[in-house]
Amino acid sequence: GAGVSQSPSNKVTEKGKDVELRCDPISGHTALYWYRQSLGQGLEFLIYFQGNSAPDKSGLPSDRFSAERTGGSVSTLTIQRTQQEDSAVYLCASSYRTASGSPLHFGNGTRLTVT
Amino acid sequence: AQKITQTQPGMFVQEKEAVTLDCTYDTSDPSYGLFWYKQPSSGEMIFLIYQGSYDQQNATEGRYSLNFQKARKSANLVISASQLGDSAMYFCAGASGGSNYKLTFGKGTLLTVNP
Repeated sequence: GAGVSQSPSNKVTEKGKDVELRCDPISGHTALYWYRQSLGQGLEFLIYFQGNSAPDKSGLPSDRFSAERTGGSVSTLTIQRTQQEDSAVYLCASSYRTASGSPLHFGNGTRLTVT
Repeated sequence: AQKITQTQPGMFVQEKEAVTLDCTYDTSDPSYGLFWYKQPSSGEMIFLIYQGSYDQQNATEGRYSLNFQKARKSANLVISASQLGDSAMYFCAGASGGSNYKLTFGKGTLLTVNP
């Protein structure tokens, strides 16, 4: 079946602008994650959604970052007033469940460049 | 929290030979899981193999096997019969607390398979 879909694949924005990144998880997967991959920091956890539970936002780097998941499916990661240090690849993943052994399936990512 | 260490920034292997990619972990949690992911130059993160802390046998998936040594806190990935398509970044990741969100990733190892 279809994998995790992310859009756009590339985004170039000017410093100070807001951006929205979209993630469409695999159908039937209840857990959804956002990670960030940058040269300096490697792969970092940002936020996690599981069903109707409150999301774990502990990885969001600042209050400029927010995410929502509507209807238990599509998720949007929003970065307000972008800064150059926000430049990275933003990876979305989903999994069937969160018990150990249920692998995360990643999308191809959105490459964000802040100029 | 987990700490994942991959000490090999880069590795080279001849086609058809086996290669071992190192990963050590550090957690005080008795329940944890270890994952290996492959990231080709295209950027997608591909799940390869998983090992749970309570699993009695080393995990195997086709040409991939995990050499899991709890006493040494190591979970090395062994790729047998290397193929040119195996050239990629390989990430070891850990999850603890019986859940597999908040994966902690190592810095990765860039594997190059030579013809």
